[in-house]
This record gives sequence, structure tokens and C-alpha cells, in this order.
Amino acid sequence: DAGVIQSPRHEVTEMGQEVTLRCKPISGHNSLFWYRQTMMRGLELLIYFNNNVPIDDSGMPEDRFSAKMPNASFSTLKIQPSEPRDSAVYFCASRIGQGNTEAFFGQGTRLTVV
Amino acid sequence: QQPVQSPQAVILREGEDAVINCSSSKALYSVHWYRQKHGEAPVFLMILLKGGEQKGHDKISASFNEKKQQSSLYLTASQLSYSGTYFCGALSGGGADGLTFGKGTHLIIQP
Repeated sequence: DAGVIQSPRHEVTEMGQEVTLRCKPISGHNSLFWYRQTMMRGLELLIYFNNNVPIDDSGMPEDRFSAKMPNASFSTLKIQPSEPRDSAVYFCASRIGQGNTEAFFGQGTRLTVV
Repeated sequence: QQPVQSPQAVILREGEDAVINCSSSKALYSVHWYRQKHGEAPVFLMILLKGGEQKGHDKISASFNEKKQQSSLYLTASQLSYSGTYFCGALSGGGADGLTFGKGTHLIIQP
């Protein structure tokens, strides 16, 4: 298996633009997480899907952020409009089941908003 | 709410030991440990499920005290390859919640 695949790997955009980050989880995994990593806050959980349904989105910073999982093999995280403080590395991770299974991380998308 | 890790950073000489602590204000279902090398994705180390459980492989081990809602990661006779950032992941809600990580502990091993 190719692992969790994220695209793009790097994104540079201007403030106010819409940004869409993409994630393809490992086939057969039914839980998917989006994380944001910064030096100040570490790895923050933004949203968690189980069987394509958002279970917990309390970590989504504000209404500018939205996430979807239209099917078991694809998820998007959208920021509209983007701001410089959104600059971070965004990771997607997936796993089978709940609780006692390993989560596999994608290589991340480094977002820079100028 | 993120679990709290300590210390924030550790600098060791090769061969020395280190302990990284993790505590949570919420009742824990399980604790997950990951290591991240610079510029890479976090990589799984181990999961601890039961109160009092200890696990390990090679010279990295961990314990989980469910009652105290705490876990510790032990690195024995550290090697240069152990350098990186270690994250404690907390799972609450009987396992149904999302996996929430602490801010990480930066470990630097010097020759």
C-alpha cells in the first residue's frame, strides 16, 4: 500500500485566497484525522471522521475552515479566506477502527500564506 | 484538551537515559506514543491500553497509570537515531474520541 497520500506537498498562497488540501487514506481504514502542526501549538487535532461522518470538529479554529469526506477514499480541508496565521504543516492520518489501533500519517502539506 | 508533556526539550549524550512524561486532565482510554524526525511525518512507537500496562521493544519502553491519567516513555542507553520530537497521544471517551496529542518533547542526542 502507498500509505496516506496528501496533496499538494507545498502550497504558497496569498492572503484572502481559498486553499484546498487533499487526503487519500489507506484503503480499508475507516477513521480519518486532520491535524495542524506549528511550533507554538504542536500537533492540534482539527477534525475527526469515522466511516465518512464527522465525529468531532471542535478543533476547527473558525468558520474559515471546513472539511469534507465524500467517500471512504478521499477527504478535503478547505480554508477560505486564508490568513498568514494559517501557515503551518497540515497532516492527515488514518486508521482502522477505534482506540487501540495505530494511526498512519501522510507526509503533510506545508502551507504558507503571504 | 491536549495532554501535557514534560520536559519540553532534552539534550543527552549518546548512551544516557531519558524519561518523557505525559498527563491528561481527562480519563484516558489509551495512550499512544509517536516520534517525528525533522521534516517527516510522525511515526508510531506503541499503544498502551490498560492501567498499569508497560510495553517496550529494544531500549524504548513506556508505562501507563490509568488512575493517575499519566504515561511515561523511557529511553535507555540512547542512540543517535533516537533524536526527534516525541508526542504523546491521548484517547478518551472509551476510545470513541479523536486522538489528541501533546505539544511534544524535543530530544537531541549528541555523540
